[in-house]
Amino acid sequence: ETGVTQTPRHLVMGMTNKKSLKCEQHLGHNAMYWYKQSAKKPLELMFVYSLEERVENNSVPSRFSPECPNSSHLFLHLHTLQPEDSALYLCASSQGLGGLSYNEQFFGPGTRLTVL
Amino acid sequence: AQSVTQPDIHITVSEGASLELRCNYSYGATPYLFWYVQSPGQGLQLLLKYFSGDTLVQGIKGFEAEFKRSQSSFNLRKPSVHWSDAAEYFCAVVRQKGAQKLVFGQGTRLTINP
Repeated sequence: ETGVTQTPRHLVMGMTNKKSLKCEQHLGHNAMYWYKQSAKKPLELMFVYSLEERVENNSVPSRFSPECPNSSHLFLHLHTLQPEDSALYLCASSQGLGGLSYNEQFFGPGTRLTVL
Repeated sequence: AQSVTQPDIHITVSEGASLELRCNYSYGATPYLFWYVQSPGQGLQLLLKYFSGDTLVQGIKGFEAEFKRSQSSFNLRKPSVHWSDAAEYFCAVVRQKGAQKLVFGQGTRLTINP
């Protein structure tokens, strides 16, 4: 595997289900991100992790729970979601958080989530 | 509100024709500027970026973009499009040096007529 991979690619769940999205980066990076891409809305940053510590949470509801067990893996745990949470969830990684410059973010293909 | 605007939601051009996709931002200082492309079923791929210096930047796949400070614009261009360029294109900014938060426009969907 190369780059950033995400599983599953498609997920359908009911509002009472609990599921998890997985992201893995094979680039040796140490920062990882979750983005949400809804229809008719710009991509929104949800969470940022650096060296396995959460450094940003963009007012995301608690029904979304991220986990970063190591620098290569990032999870998004989902529970009691709403239909409006249906979206494409994109993971990205970068070599650090910028410092004096910007470190390019590399994106995975996304997980298409449908909440019934 | 500070934002990134892509005025065109959907553009259709003929194969071989030239292309310009518009992007405007409304931040006080010049941010870092990016164009990404998203093909169906794929993640975002960086086409090009502008941090400083020459205002005309070259990217991959034959794309270029021009930064115009006076117009707060960063328009993407390609002289001759190919059917494989059909995709969604996103303009994005990072507001300040040292930050990593990408702020995206709504995207422009490009359709290519044969």
